[in-house]
Amino acid sequence: IAGITQAPTSQILAAGRRMTLRCTQDMRHNAMYWYRQDLGLGLRLIHYSNTAGTTGKGEVPDGYSVSRANTDDFPLTLASAVPSQTSVYFCASSQQGGSEQFFGPGTRLTVL
Amino acid sequence: AQSVSQHNHHVILSEAASLELGCNYSYGGTVNLFWYVQYPGQHLQLLLKYFSGDPLVKGIKGFEAEFIKSKFSFNLRKPSVQWSDTAEYFCAAGRRDSSYKLIFGSGTRLLVRP
Repeated sequence: IAGITQAPTSQILAAGRRMTLRCTQDMRHNAMYWYRQDLGLGLRLIHYSNTAGTTGKGEVPDGYSVSRANTDDFPLTLASAVPSQTSVYFCASSQQGGSEQFFGPGTRLTVL
Repeated sequence: AQSVSQHNHHVILSEAASLELGCNYSYGGTVNLFWYVQYPGQHLQLLLKYFSGDPLVKGIKGFEAEFIKSKFSFNLRKPSVQWSDTAEYFCAAGRRDSSYKLIFGSGTRLLVRP
């Protein structure tokens, strides 16, 4: 069982380009989340999904979009990347909201 | 507003020293509480969690945490740290009836010197 996989592991991106970060879980968890981790700020929630077909905005949603077409996949899209989106992005999932979250290995994104 | 505060941003200890990392939360309603650890270059892993029952929770690798409701605190402790405990530690809180959300603290970087 892989748990949560994320792709790519790292990426350098020119500003203005579109980028999709992929996240797949094989635990059949209902809820999935995207966080960004920045030094001194901890983890901040970007978007979440309680169940397939629904999504919601977290603490820092601007510049990002998500979709949840099925239970397993939860891609995060940057429509037009900006340097302030340079960060480490973690995908997570949980069986239900408010319970333990399991994290993926992260994607290190650099926007130049 | 809901928040989780970790007051120690950086902690440096020698091996065998005792550890206590502070965590306070501001959250309406009944909460679930968590401590996660992130070793260098790795993703977050759960150390321990509190949902209900005994307020003294034991986790992996000798860590424990105590939930003190009156102080809105969930401090992490370990009697004797090892070099391998060098990592960043995150406290998190989520409402027990929440649809989705965990709020994370800003993290505490622990360096254990051999």
